Amino acid sequence: KAGVTQTPRYLIKTRGQQVTLSCSPISGHRSVSWYQQTPGQGLQFLFEYFSETQRNKGNFPGRFSGRQFSNSRSEMNVSTLELGDSALYLCASSLDVSPGELFFGEGSRLTVL
Amino acid sequence: GEDVEQSLFLSVREGDSSVINCTYTDSSSTYLYWYKQEPGAGLQLLTYIFSNMDMKQDQRLTVLLNKKDKHLSLRIADTQTGDSAIYFCAESTPGNTGKLIFGQGTTLQVKP
Repeated sequence: KAGVTQTPRYLIKTRGQQVTLSCSPISGHRSVSWYQQTPGQGLQFLFEYFSETQRNKGNFPGRFSGRQFSNSRSEMNVSTLELGDSALYLCASSLDVSPGELFFGEGSRLTVL
Repeated sequence: GEDVEQSLFLSVREGDSSVINCTYTDSSSTYLYWYKQEPGAGLQLLTYIFSNMDMKQDQRLTVLLNKKDKHLSLRIADTQTGDSAIYFCAESTPGNTGKLIFGQGTTLQVKP
């Protein structure tokens, strides 16, 4: 069974640009969550999608957005990039049943110059 | 509010037991989790405990939960060099299976 796949794995952008990250969940998983991981702030929840609807959102500015497609694949977008957006962006999928085991991808490492 | 605290670093000798501690603040959390992150990889669920349990054992892993003190610990018996990684404690949030509150992570260094 294929795991959670995130693309691209690494990318470099400059301030002011925008970026789109992609996540393919495990087959059959309809819930996809996104997290930002930085050395200073640790792992912070960005948002969760279920059946193409955003179900929950973390405390991030509106520059961070996402969507989910009918095949459960998800994308997140960050517009007007800032240096502080440099981070590892992790996607996790789940079956959306308790105890809510999240299966994480390897992440997309974004560097903003 | 929601907050999870962990110590940042632990160093042990191979073969010793490791104990990683965590405190959380949200008493309504239903599940508490331990995740492991190896270099360059995502997070892997090691184990979880339901909030009405005191202890859970899974092979070399033992989880202890003191709900009164909101304290969670992970004991790794016979620690191996392959256990070197960052360990994250996390708590569930009511009604949200996709949203977990993570601690800062404890880096476990296992010396041969």
